[in-house]
Amino acid sequence: AQKITQTQPGMFVQEKEAVTLDCTYDTSDPSYGLFWYKQPSSGEMIFLIYQGSYDQQNATEGRYSLNFQKARKSANLVISASQLGDSAMYFCAMREGPRQLTFGSGTQLTVLP
Amino acid sequence: NAGVTQTPKFRILKIGQSMTLQCTQDMNHNYMYWYRQDPGMGLKLIYYSVGAGITDKGEVPNGYNVSRSTTEDFPLRLELAAPSQTSVYFCASSYGPPGGSTDTQYFGPGTRLTVL
Repeated sequence: AQKITQTQPGMFVQEKEAVTLDCTYDTSDPSYGLFWYKQPSSGEMIFLIYQGSYDQQNATEGRYSLNFQKARKSANLVISASQLGDSAMYFCAMREGPRQLTFGSGTQLTVLP
Repeated sequence: NAGVTQTPKFRILKIGQSMTLQCTQDMNHNYMYWYRQDPGMGLKLIYYSVGAGITDKGEVPNGYNVSRSTTEDFPLRLELAAPSQTSVYFCASSYGPPGGSTDTQYFGPGTRLTVL
């Protein structure tokens, strides 16, 4: 079974609008962490935001927020006020307990002017 | 801080050749990782290290070897290159262990390897 599922291979959003990128996960470990990374066309992986399984509040980092719904096992990334520079591939990843990261297949976001 | 650096950026190998991908970090991170990213896919862990002299296998270790003689360096060795090893290779590091509050991984720019 897939540990991390990103069901949107591609997404389009108009500049200055908000966009939600979906991520669902599967784990039976009570302690886990969820991460979002951005990969621009230049190829590097850029850390965006982290949510721990015991965190009571949704994580936020500037224009990025993580909509964490534990019962539904979802960890959607919300980007507010999209910018042209947000066009990139976005990966959701999970760390179960002390084990290593597992990555989803990614969502290609295109911001339209 | 340069962060995580990788060399080379691009490389073409012939089947059966060997090479070493270099990775260096200047953040004094204990934990280092090697991933590969195949086209249109997420990253898969090849090997990781929890400190100098200690390495362990990840999800896809076959065909690769690693060593960690210093905190800063974590080279990845490909022996007898095969077309299936055509991929982009990322090195990453983190200060703390997976599961801790300092386990966010920071990535290098990647090495694009083609095996023909």
